Amino acid sequence: EAEVAQSPRYKITEKSQAVAFWCDPISGHATLYWYRQILGQGPELLVQFQDESVVDDSQLPKDRFSAERLKGVDSTLKIQPAELGDSAMYLCASSLRRNTEAFFGQGTRLTVV
Amino acid sequence: DQQVKQNSPSLSVQEGRISILNCDYTNSMFDYFLWYKKYPAEGPTFLISISSIKDKNEDGRFTVFLNKSAKHLSLHIVPSQPGDSAVYFCAASARNAGNMLTFGGGTRLMVKP
Repeated sequence: EAEVAQSPRYKITEKSQAVAFWCDPISGHATLYWYRQILGQGPELLVQFQDESVVDDSQLPKDRFSAERLKGVDSTLKIQPAELGDSAMYLCASSLRRNTEAFFGQGTRLTVV
Repeated sequence: DQQVKQNSPSLSVQEGRISILNCDYTNSMFDYFLWYKKYPAEGPTFLISISSIKDKNEDGRFTVFLNKSAKHLSLHIVPSQPGDSAVYFCAASARNAGNMLTFGGGTRLMVKP
């Protein structure tokens, strides 16, 4: 069964260090999302791609976060420098088109110490 | 300003009985609604969706009801099973606004044997 792949599953990093997460969406899915979920809250959208183009990054803290999807397939989300408040689950999701349900990966649990 | 709200943080139900999870939204532009289920340390799993042109959608034990005038939707699980114990998120999107999913804060369902 096709699924969204994310790595790493867990990451511990010291504050002020750089950290990167990788996502490989379901094959053929043009839309890719990065969400952040803080414990006890619902996921919040960070950035949405349609193919290689950014559709929405209004909630992405651009001073420290960056995301790219160069070939319109897999994607990388980077944080530099990491802060204590960045500790959360980072979820990647993909959908076939912009108006269909999104399927999530298992997420990357980030702990900043 | 939370556009999607799940006012019950937790719900406990006996096995075999009905579970009803509720969700309210404020944005009248939302026209597509989804429910996701999430186990600890995993990404959300898509359960069921409904378009605003319908008021009910059913899939096995899961039924979603939409009341557009009240801006309210609910998920019914009948009969509830212990394996249904998880956190349930409702999400909404506006198809003519990029299909960005906005999530509620989640409801933790516990189904007791």
